Amino acid sequence: DAGITQSPRHKVTETGTPVTLRCHQTENHRYMYWYRQDPGHGLRLIHYSYGVKDTDKGEVSDGYSVSRSKTEDFLLTLESATSSQTSVYFCAISEYNTGELFFGEGSRLTVL
Amino acid sequence: AQSVTQPDIHITVSEGASLELRCNYSYGATPYLFWYVQSPGQGLQLLLKYFSGDTLVQGIKGFEAEFKRSQSSFNLRKPSVHWSDAAEYFCAVGARTGTASKLTFGTGTRLQVTL
Repeated sequence: DAGITQSPRHKVTETGTPVTLRCHQTENHRYMYWYRQDPGHGLRLIHYSYGVKDTDKGEVSDGYSVSRSKTEDFLLTLESATSSQTSVYFCAISEYNTGELFFGEGSRLTVL
Repeated sequence: AQSVTQPDIHITVSEGASLELRCNYSYGATPYLFWYVQSPGQGLQLLLKYFSGDTLVQGIKGFEAEFKRSQSSFNLRKPSVHWSDAAEYFCAVGARTGTASKLTFGTGTRLQVTL
């Protein structure tokens, strides 16, 4: 199994509070992604990174920011959480630019 | 923009029966196509992929998929389903940009296997 660790795995927070989710990999893969999974929507790309300090937006990036200061860590931040951001968040990594992704186990976020 | 349609939200098959999960995509060029599987409470695992060449691709766990350009389809098949195949299956199409590959996923098909 690919060495991907997401933390926290579960979090409950209140509307308006900041939240940071962490993705840590031990594979030294170049590409890292954050997806959210919601019923009826499948997985949707939030942000991705193609190298240290190199990031770009996905299709549902509003309300989210990311940072990647080291190859192994990719942080997803919700500056001010809203109820619509209640979701399961998945980190994925890829060695090559081919779309073959390895996924973490997910972080379930509930915003009350 | 690329898109993926999985018309079946839920499918039930008997153990030992054959399986076909449907996937239709929309993409302007030759797509990269994938099938991923997700067990409850887990992340997604790659089953198989199509980049180019032979349109029938083999994957893990005895799955195969066939790319049909004329029908914009990439259906997943298995000749004999096992109870452990019960999971949710996602089809995805990839757009290879100058920076990274971005996948668009379908909404998934949940497979139930009866004994």
